[in-house]
Amino acid sequence: VQLVESGGGLVKPGGSLRLSCEPSGFIFSDYYMSWIRQAPGKGLEWVAHIGSSGSPIYYAESLKGRFTISRDNARNSLYLQMNTLRADDTAVYYCARERYYHDTSVYLRYFDYWGQGTLVTVSS
Amino acid sequence: DIQMTQSPSSLSASVGDRVTITCRASQSISRYLNWYEQKPGKAPNLLIYAASSLQSGVPSRFSGSGSGTDFTLTISSLQPEDFATYYCQQSYRTPWTFGQGTKVEIK
Repeated sequence: VQLVESGGGLVKPGGSLRLSCEPSGFIFSDYYMSWIRQAPGKGLEWVAHIGSSGSPIYYAESLKGRFTISRDNARNSLYLQMNTLRADDTAVYYCARERYYHDTSVYLRYFDYWGQGTLVTVSS
Repeated sequence: DIQMTQSPSSLSASVGDRVTITCRASQSISRYLNWYEQKPGKAPNLLIYAASSLQSGVPSRFSGSGSGTDFTLTISSLQPEDFATYYCQQSYRTPWTFGQGTKVEIK
């Protein structure tokens, strides 16, 4: 299993960027996927996730309206469209595969594979 | 949102030490708790899911326990490759949230 992000770079405040994640080694259309970010020297922040066929979609409340997650199962790709970028969006953005587990008392999701990350820097 | 609080934020330990990291949720999350390890410049790596299930390929010196609001990650005998930052994460309800991390350093 591999996940490779691309599309990061330097962008001015107010600008836009589209990140991509290309999976390999598994059947992409079988899995939910998430984007998670990490500001320099900080902890992990979940951004959004998308169901295996494109729904459901959930976002971190603070990012709703500016970020859009999508996927193209035919092209084997996951995307994150980021608009109206701010300095505090500066971070490494990871895509991650979600795996689910269930037993008699829980039905939960966890991130079993992560990409290497792509750095987004928002600065004038 | 469910807040996850880890303690301590950092610790110093020696090779061979037993290390325990605690994670507390702001509300009951049953066993909807996962643990990750992150080394500098690398992506996080899954260690434990569902509070106590060891991910395939992870050494057995790692173990997790807890349910409800209080959880623990234990490294039974710290190895040189275990010096890293550890994060808990709840998957009880979106938004999925992480603890702030616990950095394990060499004493």
